[in-house]
Amino acid sequence: QKEVEQDPGPLSVPEGAIVSLNCTYSNSAFQYFMWYRQYSRKGPELLMYTYSSGNKEDGRFTAQVDKSSKYISLFIRDSQPSDSATYLCAMYRVFNNNDMRFGAGTRLTVKP
Amino acid sequence: KAGVTQTPRYLIKTRGQQVTLSCSPISGHRSVSWYQQTPGQGLQFLFEYFSETQRNKGNFPGRFSGRQFSNSRSEMNVSTLELGDSALYLCASSLTGGDGEKLFFGSGTQLSVL
Repeated sequence: QKEVEQDPGPLSVPEGAIVSLNCTYSNSAFQYFMWYRQYSRKGPELLMYTYSSGNKEDGRFTAQVDKSSKYISLFIRDSQPSDSATYLCAMYRVFNNNDMRFGAGTRLTVKP
Repeated sequence: KAGVTQTPRYLIKTRGQQVTLSCSPISGHRSVSWYQQTPGQGLQFLFEYFSETQRNKGNFPGRFSGRQFSNSRSEMNVSTLELGDSALYLCASSLTGGDGEKLFFGSGTQLSVL
């Protein structure tokens, strides 16, 4: 079993839809959680960063962390064609400098 | 503020050759990490450098090595290239690599081994 599980999709939605992306993890030592967006032939771009359980909102994006269930989510409201990209969840453990674990990435297409 | 810069963007090599990739971190960032990204394996951690010292290492063979210079710039070297080394190699930087720090990635070097 992988430490971080993420459905690779692909996921296709119409413009304006609410998108839900999810990751589960197995190691409770993971304490810091991130979502990255990666466009084709580009490096991952940090989108959301959370530490504690709960919700964090930034514009159309909401990151949710449930440490008790070892489950994190990213919601995109009013999705746009420019949101079409691969979304990677990432997390790392305390006292393990920059040894991050990534999900496989979910490829999202938002159709006009 | 300039982002993480990686050169070259694309490389084509043949089996058995060696390759060196370069990474310039964000100004002021002293920790540099390297990752390999492939469609099958996703993003995998190679190693992390801080103050010219390798501080953390992933599960890759010794053919993969790196170093960091006093200005925090880093290079990664792969010797005796294999077909399976074809991948996007990503460099990421953070201030000190400490717990909870945000990691910023470059655009990567796409390596193709023929």
